[in-house]
Amino acid sequence: SAVISQKPSRDICQRGTSLTIQCQVDSQVTMMFWYRQQPGQSLTLIATANQGSEATYESGFVIDKFPISRPNLTFSTLTVSNMSPEDSSIYLCSVENPTGELFFGEGSRLTVL
Amino acid sequence: QKEVEQNSGPLSVPEGAIASLNCTYSDRVSQSFFWYRQYSGKSPELIMSIYSNGDKEDGRFTAQLNKASQYVSLLIRDSQPSDSATYLCAADTGFQKLVFGTGTRLLVSP
Repeated sequence: SAVISQKPSRDICQRGTSLTIQCQVDSQVTMMFWYRQQPGQSLTLIATANQGSEATYESGFVIDKFPISRPNLTFSTLTVSNMSPEDSSIYLCSVENPTGELFFGEGSRLTVL
Repeated sequence: QKEVEQNSGPLSVPEGAIASLNCTYSDRVSQSFFWYRQYSGKSPELIMSIYSNGDKEDGRFTAQLNKASQYVSLLIRDSQPSDSATYLCAADTGFQKLVFGTGTRLLVSP
Protein backbone atom coordinates (compact mmCIF):
# COMPACT_ATOMS: atom_id res chain seq x y z
CA SER A 1 0.00 0.00 0.00
CA ALA A 2 1.05 3.59 -0.59
CA VAL A 3 2.57 5.72 2.16
CA ILE A 4 0.36 8.76 2.71
CA SER A 5 1.61 11.72 4.73
CA GLN A 6 -0.61 14.52 5.98
CA LYS A 7 0.26 17.86 7.48
CA PRO A 8 -0.61 19.25 9.96
CA SER A 9 -1.45 16.29 12.17
CA ARG A 10 -3.48 18.57 14.39
CA ASP A 11 -4.25 22.23 14.80
CA ILE A 12 -6.34 24.57 16.88
CA CYS A 13 -7.84 27.42 14.90
CA GLN A 14 -9.93 30.48 15.53
CA ARG A 15 -13.41 30.91 14.13
CA GLY A 16 -13.43 32.65 10.75
CA THR A 17 -9.94 31.61 9.72
CA SER A 18 -8.91 29.09 7.07
CA LEU A 19 -6.55 26.14 7.23
CA THR A 20 -4.90 24.19 4.43
CA ILE A 21 -4.17 20.50 4.89
CA GLN A 22 -1.51 18.89 2.74
CA CYS A 23 -1.41 15.30 1.56
CA GLN A 24 1.65 13.67 -0.01
CA VAL A 25 1.67 10.15 -1.49
CA ASP A 26 4.83 8.19 -2.21
CA SER A 27 3.56 6.98 -5.58
CA GLN A 28 1.56 8.44 -8.43
CA VAL A 29 -2.19 8.00 -8.12
CA THR A 30 -5.02 9.07 -10.36
CA MET A 31 -7.53 9.96 -7.68
CA MET A 32 -7.15 11.22 -4.16
CA PHE A 33 -10.07 11.32 -1.76
CA TRP A 34 -10.76 13.68 1.10
CA TYR A 35 -12.91 12.42 3.98
CA ARG A 36 -14.21 14.02 7.13
CA GLN A 37 -14.82 12.24 10.41
CA GLN A 38 -16.74 14.33 12.90
CA PRO A 39 -16.50 13.42 16.60
CA GLY A 40 -18.12 10.06 17.25
CA GLN A 41 -19.17 9.71 13.62
CA SER A 42 -18.12 7.66 10.67
CA LEU A 43 -16.31 8.81 7.57
CA THR A 44 -17.99 11.07 5.04
CA LEU A 45 -16.52 11.70 1.62
CA ILE A 46 -16.00 15.40 0.95
CA ALA A 47 -14.61 15.27 -2.58
CA THR A 48 -12.52 13.39 -5.08
CA ALA A 49 -9.44 15.18 -6.39
CA ASN A 50 -8.24 14.38 -9.91
CA GLN A 51 -5.04 15.74 -11.34
CA GLY A 52 -5.65 18.27 -14.06
CA SER A 53 -9.33 18.82 -13.41
CA GLU A 54 -11.58 20.31 -10.79
CA ALA A 55 -12.44 18.24 -7.77
CA THR A 56 -15.77 16.46 -7.63
CA TYR A 57 -17.72 17.36 -4.51
CA GLU A 58 -20.28 15.22 -2.70
CA SER A 59 -23.70 16.45 -1.76
CA GLY A 60 -23.49 18.91 1.10
CA PHE A 61 -19.93 20.03 0.34
CA VAL A 62 -19.06 23.02 -1.84
CA ILE A 63 -15.90 24.33 -3.40
CA ASP A 64 -16.10 27.71 -1.68
CA LYS A 65 -15.97 26.05 1.72
CA PHE A 66 -13.54 23.25 0.87
CA PRO A 67 -11.32 24.29 -2.04
CA ILE A 68 -9.03 21.53 -3.22
CA SER A 69 -5.87 21.62 -5.26
CA ARG A 70 -4.26 18.72 -7.13
CA PRO A 71 -1.16 20.07 -8.84
CA ASN A 72 0.39 16.68 -9.61
CA LEU A 73 -0.14 12.94 -9.21
CA THR A 74 1.38 12.70 -5.73
CA PHE A 75 0.05 15.77 -3.90
CA SER A 76 -3.21 17.43 -2.93
CA THR A 77 -4.40 20.09 -0.53
CA LEU A 78 -7.74 20.64 1.16
CA THR A 79 -8.57 24.05 2.59
CA VAL A 80 -11.25 24.47 5.22
CA SER A 81 -12.43 28.05 4.78
CA ASN A 82 -14.08 30.47 7.16
CA MET A 83 -14.08 27.88 9.90
CA SER A 84 -16.72 27.48 12.57
CA PRO A 85 -16.77 25.08 15.55
CA GLU A 86 -18.90 22.71 13.44
CA ASP A 87 -15.83 22.15 11.24
CA SER A 88 -13.98 20.53 14.14
CA SER A 89 -13.24 17.11 12.74
CA ILE A 90 -10.58 14.76 11.58
CA TYR A 91 -9.82 15.28 7.91
CA LEU A 92 -8.40 12.28 6.10
CA CYS A 93 -6.67 11.98 2.78
CA SER A 94 -6.93 8.63 1.04
CA VAL A 95 -5.97 6.77 -2.11
CA GLU A 96 -7.20 3.50 -3.56
CA ASN A 97 -5.44 0.56 -5.14
CA PRO A 98 -6.60 -1.18 -8.34
CA THR A 99 -8.92 -3.51 -6.37
CA GLY A 100 -10.73 -0.58 -4.77
CA GLU A 101 -9.13 -0.88 -1.34
CA LEU A 102 -8.83 2.52 0.28
CA PHE A 103 -5.81 3.56 2.34
CA PHE A 104 -5.74 6.56 4.63
CA GLY A 105 -3.21 9.07 5.78
CA GLU A 106 -2.72 9.67 9.49
CA GLY A 107 -5.40 12.36 9.48
CA SER A 108 -5.48 16.01 10.47
CA ARG A 109 -7.35 16.70 13.68
CA LEU A 110 -8.84 20.17 13.55
CA THR A 111 -10.32 22.00 16.52
CA VAL A 112 -12.09 25.30 15.90
CA LEU A 113 -12.65 27.60 18.85
CA GLN B 1 -29.75 6.78 -0.02
CA LYS B 2 -27.02 4.20 0.14
CA GLU B 3 -26.44 3.06 3.71
CA VAL B 4 -24.26 0.73 5.70
CA GLU B 5 -25.60 -0.19 9.11
CA GLN B 6 -23.65 -1.40 12.10
CA ASN B 7 -24.46 -1.87 15.76
CA SER B 8 -22.48 0.79 17.61
CA GLY B 9 -21.74 -1.50 20.56
CA PRO B 10 -19.73 -1.74 22.61
CA LEU B 11 -19.32 -5.43 21.98
CA SER B 12 -17.52 -6.90 24.96
CA VAL B 13 -15.74 -10.24 24.73
CA PRO B 14 -13.20 -11.94 27.00
CA GLU B 15 -9.68 -12.53 25.81
CA GLY B 16 -9.43 -15.67 23.70
CA ALA B 17 -13.08 -15.63 22.61
CA ILE B 18 -14.47 -15.09 19.11
CA ALA B 19 -15.72 -11.59 18.37
CA SER B 20 -18.45 -11.38 15.74
CA LEU B 21 -19.07 -8.03 14.08
CA ASN B 22 -21.98 -7.56 11.71
CA CYS B 23 -22.92 -5.13 8.97
CA THR B 24 -25.82 -4.74 6.54
CA TYR B 25 -25.92 -2.64 3.41
CA SER B 26 -28.79 -1.22 1.44
CA ASP B 27 -27.49 -0.96 -2.12
CA ARG B 28 -27.63 -4.17 -4.14
CA VAL B 29 -25.20 -2.61 -6.62
CA SER B 30 -22.39 -2.93 -4.06
CA GLN B 31 -19.86 -5.56 -5.05
CA SER B 32 -16.88 -4.82 -2.81
CA PHE B 33 -16.84 -4.77 0.96
CA PHE B 34 -14.19 -3.77 3.44
CA TRP B 35 -13.48 -3.93 7.13
CA TYR B 36 -11.35 -1.26 8.76
CA ARG B 37 -10.00 -1.08 12.28
CA GLN B 38 -9.68 2.31 13.91
CA TYR B 39 -7.91 2.81 17.19
CA SER B 40 -8.87 5.88 19.20
CA GLY B 41 -7.14 8.94 17.79
CA LYS B 42 -5.83 7.06 14.76
CA SER B 43 -6.88 6.77 11.15
CA PRO B 44 -8.70 3.69 9.79
CA GLU B 45 -6.56 0.72 8.84
CA LEU B 46 -7.73 -1.85 6.28
CA ILE B 47 -8.10 -5.35 7.74
CA MET B 48 -10.03 -7.31 5.16
CA SER B 49 -11.67 -6.92 1.79
CA ILE B 50 -14.21 -9.35 0.37
CA TYR B 51 -15.76 -9.44 -3.07
CA SER B 52 -17.47 -12.85 -3.39
CA ASN B 53 -20.09 -14.68 -1.41
CA GLY B 54 -18.70 -16.94 1.27
CA ASP B 55 -15.82 -16.74 3.68
CA LYS B 56 -12.38 -15.22 3.37
CA GLU B 57 -9.80 -15.95 6.03
CA ASP B 58 -6.64 -14.05 6.91
CA GLY B 59 -4.92 -15.12 10.08
CA ARG B 60 -7.30 -14.64 13.01
CA PHE B 61 -9.76 -12.71 10.85
CA THR B 62 -12.57 -14.15 8.72
CA ALA B 63 -14.83 -12.00 6.59
CA GLN B 64 -18.17 -13.41 5.51
CA LEU B 65 -20.36 -12.08 2.71
CA ASN B 66 -23.93 -12.95 1.84
CA LYS B 67 -25.10 -10.78 -1.06
CA ALA B 68 -28.61 -12.26 -1.08
CA SER B 69 -29.12 -11.10 2.50
CA GLN B 70 -26.97 -7.96 2.00
CA TYR B 71 -24.95 -8.94 5.02
CA VAL B 72 -21.25 -8.77 5.82
CA SER B 73 -19.56 -9.96 8.97
CA LEU B 74 -16.12 -10.08 10.51
CA LEU B 75 -15.04 -12.79 12.92
CA ILE B 76 -12.00 -12.32 15.10
CA ARG B 77 -10.74 -15.55 16.62
CA ASP B 78 -8.67 -15.69 19.78
CA SER B 79 -9.49 -12.04 20.54
CA GLN B 80 -6.73 -10.06 22.21
CA PRO B 81 -6.92 -6.84 24.23
CA SER B 82 -5.00 -5.21 21.37
CA ASP B 83 -8.02 -5.90 19.15
CA SER B 84 -10.01 -3.38 21.18
CA ALA B 85 -10.92 -0.70 18.65
CA THR B 86 -13.77 0.52 16.49
CA TYR B 87 -14.41 -1.61 13.41
CA LEU B 88 -15.82 0.12 10.36
CA CYS B 89 -17.64 -1.69 7.58
CA ALA B 90 -17.62 -0.12 4.12
CA ALA B 91 -19.30 -0.91 0.81
CA ASP B 92 -18.64 0.45 -2.63
CA THR B 93 -21.41 2.40 -4.34
CA GLY B 94 -20.44 1.42 -7.86
CA PHE B 95 -18.94 4.85 -8.57
CA GLN B 96 -15.48 4.31 -7.07
CA LYS B 97 -16.74 5.59 -3.75
CA LEU B 98 -17.09 3.86 -0.42
CA VAL B 99 -19.89 4.31 2.06
CA PHE B 100 -18.91 3.67 5.66
CA GLY B 101 -20.95 2.46 8.58
CA THR B 102 -20.74 4.23 11.91
CA GLY B 103 -18.61 1.45 13.35
CA THR B 104 -18.82 -1.10 16.15
CA ARG B 105 -16.71 -0.57 19.22
CA LEU B 106 -15.08 -3.79 20.37
CA LEU B 107 -13.75 -4.23 23.90
CA VAL B 108 -11.64 -7.29 24.66
CA SER B 109 -11.10 -7.79 28.36
CA PRO B 110 -8.03 -9.63 29.72
